[in-house]
Amino acid sequence: DAKTTQPTSMDCAEGRAANLPCNHSTISGNEYVYWYRQIHSQGPQYIIHGLKNNETNEMASLIITEDRKSSTLILPHATLRDTAVYYCIVRVNSGGSNYKLTFGKGTLLTVNP
Amino acid sequence: NAGVMQNPRHLVRRRGQEARLRCSPMKGHSHVYWYRQLPEEGLKFMVYLQKENIIDESGMPKERFSAEFPKEGPSILRIQQVVRGDSAAYFCASSMDRGRSDNEQFFGPGTRLTVL
Repeated sequence: DAKTTQPTSMDCAEGRAANLPCNHSTISGNEYVYWYRQIHSQGPQYIIHGLKNNETNEMASLIITEDRKSSTLILPHATLRDTAVYYCIVRVNSGGSNYKLTFGKGTLLTVNP
Repeated sequence: NAGVMQNPRHLVRRRGQEARLRCSPMKGHSHVYWYRQLPEEGLKFMVYLQKENIIDESGMPKERFSAEFPKEGPSILRIQQVVRGDSAAYFCASSMDRGRSDNEQFFGPGTRLTVL
């Protein structure tokens, strides 16, 4: 799976949009971008994933650049409960050992009141 | 619809004892994955199981660790003769299927093992 690079930490004001970047310059054509988050002392929580088109769900939006070398997770109105470590993961669509989620160090997002 | 359940949530063992961690997948899920998170580190894949089968145990330490997912009952991660280095959070995840792009893994709350 391609390696990802994320900032170690970010701050965001409550109610503002949180934009979390991720670089995955070596991503392959059949690899998806997944985002998970881990609130302190809890298990990781799936947020969103995409291949090349922008995606939106009830939790967040995912913007993937045209060359797919980077992406941004957007939390439109961050709340204090969004404080967590956010992981960007790339993995193949199917086959091989695509079930192995490889978690890096992620980005610690702190939402401030 | 209950999520992935793990028990116990906290487990304390002395060196040399055995630790048994249980995981009940979400209803309808037949694939189970175990991950370990050492202090200040990201999660690392350990093992992938389907009912009565170990599909991939490449992330499991070669000794003292074993996992099963019987036809009936929860998945069990067993650590024999625990050592201090086994202290970690152990997370279980489940999914409906593998290999599909929309097949996300749902994680349980984890079991925090402390070895004295």
